Amino acid sequence: ILNVEQSPQSLHVQEGDSTNFTCSFPSSNFYALHWYRWETAKSPEALFVMTLNGDEKKKGRISATLNTKEGYSYLYIKGSQPEDSATYLCASPNNNNDMRFGAGTRLTVKP
Amino acid sequence: NAGVMQNPRHLVRRRGQEARLRCSPMKGHSHVYWYRQLPEEGLKFMVYLQKENIIDESGMPKERFSAEFPKEGPSILRIQQVVRGDSAAYFCASSPNSLEADTQYFGPGTRLTVL
Repeated sequence: ILNVEQSPQSLHVQEGDSTNFTCSFPSSNFYALHWYRWETAKSPEALFVMTLNGDEKKKGRISATLNTKEGYSYLYIKGSQPEDSATYLCASPNNNNDMRFGAGTRLTVKP
Repeated sequence: NAGVMQNPRHLVRRRGQEARLRCSPMKGHSHVYWYRQLPEEGLKFMVYLQKENIIDESGMPKERFSAEFPKEGPSILRIQQVVRGDSAAYFCASSPNSLEADTQYFGPGTRLTVL
């Protein structure tokens, strides 16, 4: 993996469903993995910063895991609500502290 | 503690004019990042600055674009002789430390339209 990649590109779920999506990143020269939530016409909002292999972070119904050896992170949303609808971005800084973003997963939660 | 401030929020320029976008980082933050979001695309890194220093500008177009973060005052992203392809949302973010340890906080963005 040379770049930060996210899948799926978009996701539609029903209210109450739990869901998850993936971020893949270069596992060599890894420094950190960031997750952001980005609503249309607003600015990205930080969710998590993870640095250690095996890290798990949780914020309300949203949680994330990190595997630095294989270069992936999962974001989980438990019991999705319509207000969770947004684009979820992951990003990883390189050794110059430049942040490289994935293209995002656009989540739509239908009531 | 006010968040990251960007102004103007919307900027309209004619081809050939100059665009100046301003970013005031959060208080205590010395790291500033500029990103561009082209229509239907994600966020692309442009430049990373610390006070009075450009650390990495590998994402900046080689011509017409420049950035600064002076000792006093906001960070400025300057686009000379704008063209229609420069129309985009430009986001600034700041962090107190490097991104290994801290997250960055985004401003509301400046939406540039080139007529």
